[in-house]
Amino acid sequence: KNEVEQSPQNLTAQEGEFITINCSYSVGISALHWLQQHPGGGIVSLFMLSSGKKKHGRLIATINIQEKHSSLHITASHPRDSAVYICAAPPHGTDKLIFGTGTRLQVFP
Amino acid sequence: DTGVSQDPRHKITKRGQNVTFRCDPISEHNRLYWYRQTLGQGPEFLTYFQNEAQLEKSRLLSDRFSAERPKGSFSTLEIQRTEQGDSAMYLCASSFTGKHGYTFGSGTRLTVV
Repeated sequence: KNEVEQSPQNLTAQEGEFITINCSYSVGISALHWLQQHPGGGIVSLFMLSSGKKKHGRLIATINIQEKHSSLHITASHPRDSAVYICAAPPHGTDKLIFGTGTRLQVFP
Repeated sequence: DTGVSQDPRHKITKRGQNVTFRCDPISEHNRLYWYRQTLGQGPEFLTYFQNEAQLEKSRLLSDRFSAERPKGSFSTLEIQRTEQGDSAMYLCASSFTGKHGYTFGSGTRLTVV
């Protein structure tokens, strides 16, 4: 079992739909990261959060430390949101990130 | 500062050849990380440096792999005697102590034929 797991693996949506991607982890962490990866490989950091909720534009990330669960929401999805979304976290005592396998999102017009 | 730069973007090499990749981190960042990503998978940790010191190496990093960060600035990752299984995207990231997030480069895609 991976220490960081995501669901779903693939997600398709119509433009305008509300999107939720889930991440659960089994190790102790101090912060969780949500990342976006476009075709071609480059990774962009979206959020780093250790408690509660953060919002940036149409993106919202939440984390429940007790339940070891985080969600990434996209409101009013748009085709340009199509990408792979990855959650990652450094376990306590280390600085290296452990990644989920990613969620491939496709938003159709 | 233009972010984390990786060179080359793509590398095609024949099996058995040696390859070297370079990563230039954000100048204020003291930590530099190497990850490897195969198709359809999330990245996997390879190694990381704090300044010039290599603090941790993954068991994935066989003796054919070596990484250096000689002056605490740029880093190189060398793969000797490449194998087809080494084909992957090699990602570099940097951070300031890891507490303030990570910045990733665009990666070097290696294809071993």
